Amino acid sequence: GAGVSQTPSNKVTEKGKYVELRCDPISGHTALYWYRQSLGQGPEFLIYFQGTGAADDSGLPNDRFFAVRPEGSVSTLKIQRTERGDSAVYLCASSVSTDTQYFGPGTRLTVL
Amino acid sequence: AQSVTQLDSQVPVFEEAPVELRCNYSSSVSVYLFWYVQYPNQGLQLLLKYLSGSTLVKGINGFEAEFNKSQTSFHLRKPSVHISDTAEYFCAVIRTGGYQKVTFGTGTKLQVIP
Repeated sequence: GAGVSQTPSNKVTEKGKYVELRCDPISGHTALYWYRQSLGQGPEFLIYFQGTGAADDSGLPNDRFFAVRPEGSVSTLKIQRTERGDSAVYLCASSVSTDTQYFGPGTRLTVL
Repeated sequence: AQSVTQLDSQVPVFEEAPVELRCNYSSSVSVYLFWYVQYPNQGLQLLLKYLSGSTLVKGINGFEAEFNKSQTSFHLRKPSVHISDTAEYFCAVIRTGGYQKVTFGTGTKLQVIP
C-alpha cells in the first residue's frame, strides 16, 4: 500500500519568506508527527496530531512554526519569516498503533 | 525524559565482514526500542523493533538486535554486510503507553568497503 508522502521533496526559499510543507499520511492512521533533521543529527520531534487536534506541540522551536491538520488526514507545516537556521529535512510520520511510526521521504528545506 | 547514545558516528567495514552498531539508552520509564535505516536522500525505514518478549529480535535485510535491560543497550548486528548496507542507522526509543514522540540517537554511518 501507499506509504507516507511529503511534498515538495525540495524547497529553496529566501530568508524572510513563508513556506508550507505538506504531509499525506498512510490511510487510516490517526496519529501524525512532524520531525526536523538537521545536518549530521537524528530527527527531533516538533509536533504530534491525534485526529485534527495538536496533542503535543512542545517541540516547535518558536512561534514562527505552526502546523494544521483540519480534516484529520493531510497536515501542513507552516514556517513564517524563515531563517537560515531553519534549513533542514522535515520528516513526517504516521501511526495507527502506539508503538511504531512510519516515516515519509522528507522535505529538504534550504533557506538562502 | 529519554535519551539515546550512539557513540560511533562512522563505522567502516569490509564487505562480507560482520558488523555491530552500538546503542545505549537512558530512561526512567519503560520504553520500546527501534532501529531505523536511512539511505542517501531518502526517509527513514524501520529495520526492527523490540516491544516485549524475546530479547533477540530479527529484522529486515539480515539484521538483528539484542535488548539488554541491565546494560540499557540495544546493539544492532549483521553477520555479513553487503555494499547495499551502506547507509546511516538510527537507534530510537519511544515511551510505552499511549501515543508518544520518538527520541533518536545521532546516527551511525555504516560504510561498507568493497
